[in-house]
Amino acid sequence: GENVEQHPSTLSVQEGDSAVIKCTYSDSASNYFPWYKQELGKRPQLIIDIRSNVGEKKDQRIAVTLNKTAKHFSLHITETQPEDSAVYFCAAMGFNQGGKLIFGQGTELSVKP
Amino acid sequence: DGGITQSPKYLFRKEGQNVTLSCEQNLNHDAMYWYRQDPGQGLRLIYYSQIVNDFQKGDIAEGYSVSREKKESFPLTVTSAQKNPTAFYLCASSTTSGGDGEQFFGPGTRLTVL
Repeated sequence: GENVEQHPSTLSVQEGDSAVIKCTYSDSASNYFPWYKQELGKRPQLIIDIRSNVGEKKDQRIAVTLNKTAKHFSLHITETQPEDSAVYFCAAMGFNQGGKLIFGQGTELSVKP
Repeated sequence: DGGITQSPKYLFRKEGQNVTLSCEQNLNHDAMYWYRQDPGQGLRLIYYSQIVNDFQKGDIAEGYSVSREKKESFPLTVTSAQKNPTAFYLCASSTTSGGDGEQFFGPGTRLTVL
């Protein structure tokens, strides 16, 4: 089955710097890759997603890149702000997998003012 | 944050007791999911349901049971067979089970075994 590895587990940056979180997946049939942000004690919320027919997607300060050949995808946050501090999860989903998302272990991002 | 709700927010259980966590959605979603989250770890899938009266085991189904009698409801029972049930439980739903639908999460239930 699918396995998703996420790195780093913790990331600390200065406000205004960029942050990059990387994930690798094992199942080449996976075709949907969402990123969720979870603030302390709250529910995960989707911040951006990418499908396997594109290599990059951007939404304001957030971007995701996908390399299908290498089976890895990354989240890029530019001009980080303190409110970006949270745990970020990547996930992968395969076609006809019943909508099963396989999550990475999470990255705790801390943005220092 | 409406659309998918969970209750109770906090739940305390004595060892040997079964408890049921509620999950309701009014988004008309076909698929619903239960995840368990432990500190410092990702979300692990317990059970999921793509359609009413049907559900499948996820990666950590042992000690849990579910039912899907109505489209909008997907309760999770944590049985006494679950050896380490203290965790944060998240329910989710999505529009499609075809593999490319965003999952919307409920606010979660924090279960503690006394």
